[in-house]
Amino acid sequence: AQSVTQLGSHVSVSEGALVLLRCNYSSSVPPYLFWYVQYPNQGLQLLLKYTSAATLVKGINGFEAEFKKSETSFHLTKPSAHMSDAAEYFCAVSGISGGGADGLTFGKGTHLIIQP
Amino acid sequence: GAVVSQHPSWVICKSGTSVKIECRSLDFQATTMFWYRQFPKQSLMLMATSNEGSKATYEQGVEKDKFLINHASLTLSTLTVTSAHPEDSSFYICSAPQTGRKYEQYFGPGTRLTVT
Repeated sequence: AQSVTQLGSHVSVSEGALVLLRCNYSSSVPPYLFWYVQYPNQGLQLLLKYTSAATLVKGINGFEAEFKKSETSFHLTKPSAHMSDAAEYFCAVSGISGGGADGLTFGKGTHLIIQP
Repeated sequence: GAVVSQHPSWVICKSGTSVKIECRSLDFQATTMFWYRQFPKQSLMLMATSNEGSKATYEQGVEKDKFLINHASLTLSTLTVTSAHPEDSSFYICSAPQTGRKYEQYFGPGTRLTVT
């Protein structure tokens, strides 16, 4: 079985500051990991994914994440926060067969607040 | 990019009635679709895997007789909440992986169900 822990239900940063959203996972098999963003009353949008290729993954909107097997982590970062980044962010891990064949297990989400 | 739609986006029903939610892949075929539910300010929980041409697979604790899933075609899956009760009020979201893009699932915008 797999699980995802997101540290911090709310994270507040100033506009222009570094964004760091933490995600730790537990998986009995090599994981496939994802970050999604959800804006109010909307569906989920994929930010980036790790599928056993490069450990540093670049996504959309300037976000990136680094897979660290030794730390079982997949933290999301962005060098400079923008007001439009305010949203709910979810880290997720796929099932045994990979992201396409299995439903995802999600973390509880982190609400990102951007201070002007 | 691939698009998944849901209908309706918002529905109110009376306790004891049934309501059907549709999930469609608009520009690709999906032999598998996933159904999630999301309570307010909480994460997504996988409910079931919908398989075209066969029975759905339900996650532990999800009542299959209450949440009926039918994968009628390669582009349509339906979730019927039978004998709905107020505790079934939630945000229901579907997703579908696109053939050839194994690690990427596309999420629908969700359906907000309120049972009065």
